[in-house]
Amino acid sequence: GNSVTQMEGPVTLSEEAFLTINCTYTATGYPSLFWYVQYPGEGLQLLLKATKADDKGSNKGFEATYRKETTSFHLEKGSVQVSDSAVYFCALGGYQKVTFGTGTKLQVIP
Amino acid sequence: DAGITQSPRHKVTETGTPVTLRCHQTENHRYMYWYRQDPGHGLRLIHYSYGVKDTDKGEVSDGYSVSRSKTEDFLLTLESATSSQTSVYFCAIRAEPGQLLSGANVLTFGAGSRLTVL
Repeated sequence: GNSVTQMEGPVTLSEEAFLTINCTYTATGYPSLFWYVQYPGEGLQLLLKATKADDKGSNKGFEATYRKETTSFHLEKGSVQVSDSAVYFCALGGYQKVTFGTGTKLQVIP
Repeated sequence: DAGITQSPRHKVTETGTPVTLRCHQTENHRYMYWYRQDPGHGLRLIHYSYGVKDTDKGEVSDGYSVSRSKTEDFLLTLESATSSQTSVYFCAIRAEPGQLLSGANVLTFGAGSRLTVL
């Protein structure tokens, strides 16, 4: 079946540092890939998505590229802010189900 | 907001009692999902629905049942709650998984229901 593996957290960075959160997947067919973000005490909200190989999703300075050859969808941001502190989830969208990774907590310190 | 509400938002109950969580949407989306969120496990799918009276199991469905008698409502029932079902439960909706370019395959989440089983 489909599965998503993302790097363990927590990740602690200083403000303006470069962020990478790794995500790899196993899937049949041609799934869509997503990154969701969860701020403290809230539900998940979509951060970005990609629907086919080599697509790049981007939003709020975050980017991720759908790499079919390496089955990866790593999240990157060039300069993180304190307001980016949250839990980030990689997800794989099959036709009916959406499968999530375990989440990576990011803490950005001033 | 996307028009999805969960109730109750917080509930404390005792082992062995029945519990029902409600998810209500105003978006007329076809698909509805129940997930639970636990530390170290991320989000795990409990059940989902792809239409009125059409439901299927997810990866952690034991001890849970669901019903969808109207497009807008998806109920999650714990027939006899156990302490292992203490969790945060999220409902999500999705318009149409096959429409990749329009954004209709994106999940939109409710705010969550925190359940504590003593």
